[in-house]
Amino acid sequence: GESVGLHLPTLSVQEGDNSIINCAYSNSASDYFIWYKQESGKGPQFIIDIRSNMDKRQGQRVTVLLNKTVKHLSLQIAATQPGDSAVYFCAVNDYKLSFGAGTTVTVRA
Amino acid sequence: DTGVSQDPRHKITKRGQNVTFRCDPISEHNRLYWYRQTLGQGPEFLTYFQNEAQLEKSRLLSDRFSAERPKGSFSTLEIQRTEQGDSAMYLCASSFWADAKNIQYFGAGTRLSVL
Repeated sequence: GESVGLHLPTLSVQEGDNSIINCAYSNSASDYFIWYKQESGKGPQFIIDIRSNMDKRQGQRVTVLLNKTVKHLSLQIAATQPGDSAVYFCAVNDYKLSFGAGTTVTVRA
Repeated sequence: DTGVSQDPRHKITKRGQNVTFRCDPISEHNRLYWYRQTLGQGPEFLTYFQNEAQLEKSRLLSDRFSAERPKGSFSTLEIQRTEQGDSAMYLCASSFWADAKNIQYFGAGTRLSVL
């Protein structure tokens, strides 16, 4: 099956700085990826998605980059805010989701 | 609010008891998924339905687990003879298949504690 991993389990960032969360996947045939945010006591919340025919996709304050050559994707959060403190997951979307372990982002005031 | 709702939010039970969880998906969504999440880990796929048909069950879903979606709307997940290892967050998600994206939207989950 698909294996998805995140590079760092935790990330501490100063409020106002940019955050970068990295993720690697194992199956080169994977073609659709989603980033989710999970706050304490809540279910995962959709942030942004990207298909393999794209290298970059932008949303509100977030950008996802996909490097198919090295099977790597990243989520960039601009001007990180206290409300961005959460666990972030990348997932391969192949009718069912395969998640990595998550990166806990803590925003310092 | 028309998101995915799960009930109960928390369940504490004694080992050996049976428990049942309910999930109400977003109304126009035809696919419904169950995942299990343990502390510090990402959600793991358990099973999913398209309308009322259960299309796949993970090997994680032992014979003590059963899921139904009788009318293609809400779903229930039952665990019989609970064990301490069943303690986890059980998440439900729904999506609209035939939408090329098939983005899954999650409920808040049911946290199960088996004593």
